[in-house]
Amino acid sequence: GAVVSQHPSWVICKSGTSVKIECRSLDFQATTMFWYRQFPKQSLMLMATSNEGSKATYEQGVEKDKFLINHASLTLSTLTVTSAHPEDSSFYICSANSPGNYGYTFGSGTRLTVV
Amino acid sequence: QQQVKQSPQSLIVQKGGISIINCAYENTAFDYFPWYQQFPGKGPALLIAIRPDVSEKKEGRFTISFNKSAKQFSLHIMDSQPGDSATYFCAARLNSGYSTLTFGKGTMLLVSP
Repeated sequence: GAVVSQHPSWVICKSGTSVKIECRSLDFQATTMFWYRQFPKQSLMLMATSNEGSKATYEQGVEKDKFLINHASLTLSTLTVTSAHPEDSSFYICSANSPGNYGYTFGSGTRLTVV
Repeated sequence: QQQVKQSPQSLIVQKGGISIINCAYENTAFDYFPWYQQFPGKGPALLIAIRPDVSEKKEGRFTISFNKSAKQFSLHIMDSQPGDSATYFCAARLNSGYSTLTFGKGTMLLVSP
């Protein structure tokens, strides 16, 4: 089946630093990837949609300069949290799908803690 | 119109019982309705999904019932087990190949031994 690998699974960083999260589709080509943020005991909140080779589409209220998304290949999308602050601490999850595939496969998530 | 309303927020079921989670939607342009299971600290995993031209789909102990006229769908977990304790999300997708999913708010299921 379709597998999406997300790394790291957890990261602690200092305020003001940047953190990069990788999302890879291991056995299929993902033309579209989605990035979500999830707070404890809440649902997934879509942050942005990235299409391979083009700029990401950000949801309203998501700072594109803070959450940089790059989808440079059909198997890799990255989310960089720039100048992280404690309020950016959250669980970030990526998801991928491909044409003709109704299945949206999710990564295992990244727990970001900014101290 | 983009919302998917999920209930209950939490559910406690005895081992062997039936767990039922309900979702309702307004937008008739949704064409794909998956259910996801999420354990703490993990990403959601697809459990089962249905398209609106089918009224019921069963996979093992998991069944989706779909009522197109009422714009409702539900997840039934038969013979619930403690290992089923997790958060369950229903979702819906607009009929566009690259559209994102709209998620319900989730149901925390606890199956007591």
